[in-house]
Amino acid sequence: DAEITQSPRHKITETGRQVTLACHQTWNHNNMFWYRQDLGHGLRLIHYSYGVQDTNKGEVSDGYSVSRSNTEDLPLTLESAASSQTSVYFCASSLGTSGSYNEQFFGPGTRLTVL
Amino acid sequence: GQNIDQPTEMTATEGAIVQINCTYQTSGFNGLFWYQQHAGEAPTFLSYNVLDGLEEKGRFSSFLSRSKGYSYLLLKELQMKDSASYLCAVRDEESGGYQKVTFGTGTKLQVIP
Repeated sequence: DAEITQSPRHKITETGRQVTLACHQTWNHNNMFWYRQDLGHGLRLIHYSYGVQDTNKGEVSDGYSVSRSNTEDLPLTLESAASSQTSVYFCASSLGTSGSYNEQFFGPGTRLTVL
Repeated sequence: GQNIDQPTEMTATEGAIVQINCTYQTSGFNGLFWYQQHAGEAPTFLSYNVLDGLEEKGRFSSFLSRSKGYSYLLLKELQMKDSASYLCAVRDEESGGYQKVTFGTGTKLQVIP
């Protein structure tokens, strides 16, 4: 069955370290998204991609980067982790853009703690 | 940009009906989604509306009024397992035809016996 996975599921790191969160989907979806979820803020979009080599900044992109070298993967990198980046991170994917409605399928989430 | 409002918390009784409201302001509206999220889990898709009116799917229904910037999710015959957060999300069409989805902060529903 097609799925979307994230790794690691839990991560503890120190301030200033570089961290990469992996996201892999086997839906063959064009669109992939990274969100963070914090109490009182809901899901906030960090970066998104509408296809290979396409990346775009979301509303809270500072301190994060992504790259899309293939359809299946969109890794999220924290260049220099900060305590403010302690959060739960969700990756999601959807089939396309215009025309039909495209529900997003979410990965199980990664809980990141920056000490 | 977008502004999405929904109540923070609601409580309802098992077997009853509950309505969760969502209001939004957006410039390029192109659809509204409802997601369910149980504590510690990922959001899962419940419903989608792009035209005015009611969409029914089993115990769950979703309504949209584009002119009022308003939607609601109706849950009937509440069960304890319906205790979860319900996220309203609005899709905007951006320049170039791209479409971006923005989520509200969610409504935490507690179902009590």
